[in-house]
Amino acid sequence: QQQVKQSPQSLIVQKGGISIINCAYENTAFDYFPWYQQFPGKGPALLIAIRPDVSEKKEGRFTISFNKSAKQFSLHIMDSQPGDSATYFCAAVRSGTYKYIFGTGTRLKVLA
Amino acid sequence: DAGVIQSPRHEVTEMGQEVTLRCKPISGHDYLFWYRQTMMRGLELLIYFNNNVPIDDSGMPEDRFSAKMPNASFSTLKIQPSEPRDSAVYFCASSGDAQYGYTFGSGTRLTVV
Repeated sequence: QQQVKQSPQSLIVQKGGISIINCAYENTAFDYFPWYQQFPGKGPALLIAIRPDVSEKKEGRFTISFNKSAKQFSLHIMDSQPGDSATYFCAAVRSGTYKYIFGTGTRLKVLA
Repeated sequence: DAGVIQSPRHEVTEMGQEVTLRCKPISGHDYLFWYRQTMMRGLELLIYFNNNVPIDDSGMPEDRFSAKMPNASFSTLKIQPSEPRDSAVYFCASSGDAQYGYTFGSGTRLTVV
């Protein structure tokens, strides 16, 4: 019940295309869902995050869609660029705790 | 701000040796986290501190692992004795409000041979 399942494991997208990464969770007590971006040799960096009281959040080319009833959330990268090539992690955390549960990561490659 | 600073960036050691990883959190952040990243298990939380006090060490794999935070600007993760299965990238992260985002360091890649 503590797991966050992430898919796909890897993704190849053409430049200008849409990248979609999906995550699902079981624990309905989770109430904060961030996405992290990690470049090789670097630590993960917070990209965008959402709370379950909204169904969508957009920041530039990055959008999180949240489906509370299905217990799923996804990251959409519009107009994907080669510079977006990185590993993306979803995560979930419950208020009052500080233990992020991370997904297993998606390695995205955007072809020029 | 220089961000979260970890040292060393790479460490190669022989099985049985003691290894110490170091972390300097962002000034003013009162939460500090140690994570381990492997291909098989992804990102695992090992331990976290609040105001220099260990709050949850349930992720520490075994007694060979220990972590300390003697002051607000420094933390160590020690492995003694090290084993090949400890090979991983170890990340330190800090936060001023841990529920709403961490800042990770660049990690220490540990190889135990």
